Amino acid sequence: ILNVEQSPQSLHVQEGDSTNFTCSFPSSNFYALHWYRWETAKSPEALFVMTLNGDEKKKGRISATLNTKEGYSYLYIKGSQPEDSATYLCAFNAGGTSYGKLTFGQGTILTVHP
Amino acid sequence: GAGVSQSPSNKVTEKGKDVELRCDPISGHTALYWYRQSLGQGLEFLIYFQGNSAPDKSGLPSDRFSAERTGGSVSTLTIQRTQQEDSAVYLCASSLDTPSPLHEQFFGPGTRLTVL
Repeated sequence: ILNVEQSPQSLHVQEGDSTNFTCSFPSSNFYALHWYRWETAKSPEALFVMTLNGDEKKKGRISATLNTKEGYSYLYIKGSQPEDSATYLCAFNAGGTSYGKLTFGQGTILTVHP
Repeated sequence: GAGVSQSPSNKVTEKGKDVELRCDPISGHTALYWYRQSLGQGLEFLIYFQGNSAPDKSGLPSDRFSAERTGGSVSTLTIQRTQQEDSAVYLCASSLDTPSPLHEQFFGPGTRLTVL
């Protein structure tokens, strides 16, 4: 059973704060890591797909890093805005016979207060 | 273009009844995935399709669950003899080309299933 852990479970920040959260995954049989944002009453939306150790991706104020050797990824949000409030999900793929399968973490619920 | 659509958006059924959930992927997307999120749980993989075939059904929780895809497009997830533990949000996603961990998945709005 693959274990994908996200921390913290929830986070409250003030508008303008920068924040980050963690996704931990098995360091063996790594193929790819995805980050998704899921706003209430909407569909999950892809943020990043990361594959290489040391990968760093950025989209606006959101960025992510990847360490496949130790099995973790960080998601950073700079200058949080209320519209960043959402559940942030990471998902791990082990490749091989699990080629099309993503194993999701439980998510980090971010609330940004104006 | 249109995104992934799912129907119905909400379904309330009685224990023991069969239900069918439908997913229309983005046109041209070869890969299609089903997930569910039970209360307090993360997104759980159920099955994925490459074209009309399902190489990985490992996530289907029991033999009461089945899924099919026709014409490389629409997919239906069928739950027979529903149980209360089947209550969840069922999400469908599609991606371009063959199922690949390198391709981002585009999700539909989900079907909220409540089994009384």
